[in-house]
Amino acid sequence: DIQMTQSPSFLSASVGDRVTITCRASQDITNYLAWYQQKPGKVPKLLMYVVSTLQSGVPSRFSGSGSGTDFTLTISSLQPEDVATYYCQHYNNPRTFGQGTKVEIK
Amino acid sequence: QLVESGGGLVQPGWSLRLSCAASGFSVTNSDLSWVRQAPGKGLEWVSVILGGGDTYYADSVKGRFTISRDSSQNTLYLQMNSLRDDDSGVYYCAREFGGLDVWGQGTTVTVSS
Repeated sequence: DIQMTQSPSFLSASVGDRVTITCRASQDITNYLAWYQQKPGKVPKLLMYVVSTLQSGVPSRFSGSGSGTDFTLTISSLQPEDVATYYCQHYNNPRTFGQGTKVEIK
Repeated sequence: QLVESGGGLVQPGWSLRLSCAASGFSVTNSDLSWVRQAPGKGLEWVSVILGGGDTYYADSVKGRFTISRDSSQNTLYLQMNSLRDDDSGVYYCAREFGGLDVWGQGTTVTVSS
């Protein structure tokens, strides 16, 4: 099975900081990589798919990159409303989520 | 839009069927997944039914859960048998269209004696 490993598991940053979350797949997943944001008590929301395609309505401060096994989600300027847990997902067979990265404001 | 129902409190070993009513698109022409989240834990993909009818399951539920759909009701189902304590959580249905782009609000399943 494919394992998706995110790092860090938790990060605390200041408003305006550039934040990067990494996601590593245990084998080549080509570009079947999506990112989700889940705010406390809310339903997950799709941020990005095929590595770097921004879902409609998602602010442009979010961006994605990577290929093969190593991927990143970047928030160019952290905002208070970005406090959430972020998950990567391989959305081909077998579909697998990373364990999540909790982002807080310092 | 997706609306789940069918969650509840059951004892270990019991069965439960979850439903997910879709509106605005056809369940027959879509790839649809179930995703669950145990209390305080991360997201876990459970199962998917593709538009062509193929089905796939996480190893943790294979042989116990069955995903299906009914075109006349435009509804997705998840039949869960031999439920265990670690099956407890919120179950979401979601449409897969370049990632999971439409999610339901979730239905809570609690397995406890």
